Amino acid sequence: DVQMTQAPSSLSASVGDRVTITCRASRGITNDLGWYQQKPGKAPKRLIYEADILQGGVPSRFSGSGSGTEFSLTISSLQPEDFATYYCLQYNDWPRTFGQGTKVEIK
Amino acid sequence: EVQLAESGGDLVQPGGSLRLSCAASGFTVNTYWMTWVRQAPGKGLEWVADIKFDGSEKNLLDSVKGRFSIFTDDATNSLYLHMNSLRVEDTAVYFCARGYRCPESWGQGTLVTVSS
Repeated sequence: DVQMTQAPSSLSASVGDRVTITCRASRGITNDLGWYQQKPGKAPKRLIYEADILQGGVPSRFSGSGSGTEFSLTISSLQPEDFATYYCLQYNDWPRTFGQGTKVEIK
Repeated sequence: EVQLAESGGDLVQPGGSLRLSCAASGFTVNTYWMTWVRQAPGKGLEWVADIKFDGSEKNLLDSVKGRFSIFTDDATNSLYLHMNSLRVEDTAVYFCARGYRCPESWGQGTLVTVSS
């Protein structure tokens, strides 16, 4: 199985901060990586797919980068509605595997 | 508009069975791969199973193989997850989703609790 190591597991940040979350794959997965945002009691929401393609309707302050084994999600200026948990997902191989999640909290 | 609505979650004893349903609207399930993902209380996401649009390919997580089965029904335009020999560690919210790579559309989830 492809292991996805996501970091950090949590972070505290202020509105307006730049935030970066990383995911490392245990082997190369080309650009078969997506990012999801999840709020309590809700379904995950896709933000990014193919490592760097922004989902329609998602604010441009979200961006993704990387390929191979190293990936990152950046929020350029954190907004109040961005406080949530974020997950990466690799879909290069089966079973699909998620990172452990990063909880973004208000400082 | 694409919508997915799960149902069937319940409290069940270890060793019991349950069938989860995911009613689709805005598209037909026989034209898309469909997926089940679960989330144990306070934990992360885990991909459980997926099925090709024509039912010819199915993938199941090792820990559920032989216990869970995934299928679709054109008549009801729904996705199903039949779960047998349930274990305490199967306790989770189960989400259905459209797609088998990086699903965009998800249901709201249904809670399965396995406990004596």
